[in-house]
Amino acid sequence: DTAVSQTPKYLVTQMGNDKSIKCEQNLGHDTMYWYKQDSKKFLKIMFSYNNKELIINETVPNRFSPKSPDKAHLNLHINSLELGDSAVYFCASSLFPIPGQRTELFFGSGTQLSVL
Amino acid sequence: DAKTTQPPSMDCAEGRAANLPCNHSTISGNEYVYWYRQIHSQGPQYIIHGLKNNETNEMASLIITEDRKSSTLILPHATLRDTAVYYCIVRDVTGGYQKVTFGTGTKLQVIP
Repeated sequence: DTAVSQTPKYLVTQMGNDKSIKCEQNLGHDTMYWYKQDSKKFLKIMFSYNNKELIINETVPNRFSPKSPDKAHLNLHINSLELGDSAVYFCASSLFPIPGQRTELFFGSGTQLSVL
Repeated sequence: DAKTTQPPSMDCAEGRAANLPCNHSTISGNEYVYWYRQIHSQGPQYIIHGLKNNETNEMASLIITEDRKSSTLILPHATLRDTAVYYCIVRDVTGGYQKVTFGTGTKLQVIP
């Protein structure tokens, strides 16, 4: 069983379109994240949710809207796609971070988004 | 989170130990050192973490200096499958949440 699964794996679309990426984890974790990895391979956090509540929102254009219907799912919807949105998007999950407790991130296999 | 400094790339002969250094001179007392790696086109994978003491698991060993300003990840017998980008991260959870920030990492090439 895949612990953190994202769909689709590849997404090719035209500029201006709206698209969604889905993420599900079966690890029983409380906290989920979205990361973006650009062409230079920098991996940057975008959002984090804990039990469906947004707790981290980095400086991300409001065209990006995460939605967490329950604590096992965190979807990413992107409106009016731009060329610069082309990247690999990774979903991750972890236990709720408590000092002294191991709370590493478990990552999905990524979604390669190409905006033409 | 404290910033980390890692060499951009390293080579290691297959079967030898790979020693990957990391400087985190601004680390504070409650920040953990975590190591992840990313094998080409896959999601990052947790390797090991520590606070003060040296740690060992089935994948690697982590040596943290006494002043905690630097650490070394050791892969005892590197294989070709260990070729990856290795990220050293320091992480604080006292704020009630964690923001795991990845730097540029070290690209380890294991050579046959």
